[in-house]
Amino acid sequence: EDQVTQSPEALRLQEGESSSLNCSYTVSGLRGLFWYRQDPGKGPEFLFTLYSAGEEKEKERLKATLTKKESFLHITAPKPEDSATYLCAVRYPQGGSEKLVFGKGTKLTVNP
Amino acid sequence: DAGITQSPRHKVTETGTPVTLRCHQTENHRYMYWYRQDPGHGLRLIHYSYGVKDTDKGEVSDGYSVSRSKTEDFLLTLESATSSQTSVYFCAISEEVAGNNEQFFGPGTRLTVL
Repeated sequence: EDQVTQSPEALRLQEGESSSLNCSYTVSGLRGLFWYRQDPGKGPEFLFTLYSAGEEKEKERLKATLTKKESFLHITAPKPEDSATYLCAVRYPQGGSEKLVFGKGTKLTVNP
Repeated sequence: DAGITQSPRHKVTETGTPVTLRCHQTENHRYMYWYRQDPGHGLRLIHYSYGVKDTDKGEVSDGYSVSRSKTEDFLLTLESATSSQTSVYFCAISEEVAGNNEQFFGPGTRLTVL
């Protein structure tokens, strides 16, 4: 069973059409939930860190929220340049240390 | 980009040959990581380092070794490359920014093992 599940796997939007990406997790003792953006052929680019349920962070057209079981990345009035794969990761304690597990990502395409 | 470079950026090699990938950082970060990224999988941690000569295994460490003799360099070695190690490899560092732990990635190395 995957500890981090992202949905949908792929999403196509028209420019200006707002939507949300989901990241659900099953780990216990969350020590942080991370969102990244990855463009083709490049490394992931850090977007947000969320630590506790109810926390929200915003950056331009993106807003990340966190509950006890999932996080949403809301994209408001997206533009074609928002097209990318969005990755979610969770950090949690395991065996005296911490583990960071990534989801498989959501590929977002925004058409003009 | 947190001053992270990876070399080479692309490499094609044959099964059974040794391969070393280099990660170089310029900002004196203590923690460094090696990940691999494959279709259908999330990023998976291979090894990480928490200081010079201090390293530990990640979830997919079999077939890989690492070394960190200087703060700025973290090397990943495939002693005898196999086709299953064909992947894109990313190096990362982590740092505390305004109380938040953030991880920054390098540009990646695309490795093909024939």
